[in-house]
Amino acid sequence: NAGVTQTPKFRVLKTGQSMTLLCAQDMNHEYMYWYRQDPGMGLRLIHYSVGEGTTAKGEVPDGYNVSRLKKQNFLLGLESAAPSQTSVYFCASSNGAGRSNQPQHFGDGTRLSIL
Amino acid sequence: DAKTTQPPSMDCAEGRAANLPCNHSTISGNEYVYWYRQIHSQGPQYIIHGLKNNETNEMASLIITEDRKSSTLILPHATLRDTAVYYCIVTVIYGGATNKLIFGTGTLLAVQP
Repeated sequence: NAGVTQTPKFRVLKTGQSMTLLCAQDMNHEYMYWYRQDPGMGLRLIHYSVGEGTTAKGEVPDGYNVSRLKKQNFLLGLESAAPSQTSVYFCASSNGAGRSNQPQHFGDGTRLSIL
Repeated sequence: DAKTTQPPSMDCAEGRAANLPCNHSTISGNEYVYWYRQIHSQGPQYIIHGLKNNETNEMASLIITEDRKSSTLILPHATLRDTAVYYCIVTVIYGGATNKLIFGTGTLLAVQP
């Protein structure tokens, strides 16, 4: 029962470096999401995807890019990391054709520090 | 977007029922109420959701008032492992294609031995 798997679990970067966070789900879900969580705050949506080959911006998309080349994978990229992107990143997936009655299932997060 | 209001913290004795309230007075007719919880350093865990009727699953019960302006999550027999931050969320259709979870600051439930 893997569910949603995120790699890596931890990473430290220097300012200006680039990296890609990988999210994989084995539930055949159509929808996938990337969130960030900062201390004392709830999760904020970065980008999401409603199907293979499609992506869309969430509420805090600046500084991030995403790709959904395969249905089971959703990649989050940081082209030039900044200290403000230090955060815990969560990936989620859900099913359902645009209805709001399908729960999202989350991975255990990637803890990213930018020095 | 409909907002939710939750108490910042609650205590509950182990083995007793935990009743977590949530106010969502601006909820609209097609918006669902979802409950998630987050145990320290883990990803949010889905608990239950509902639209109008009360719901029950193996984890919890959800009681929604008739006017839908508030709800209560009930953990029938709280254990120490239920200590977590509980989020009450009203979902909205975002971008016309999917639902968006707006996480507030939630309620920190501390189950006491």
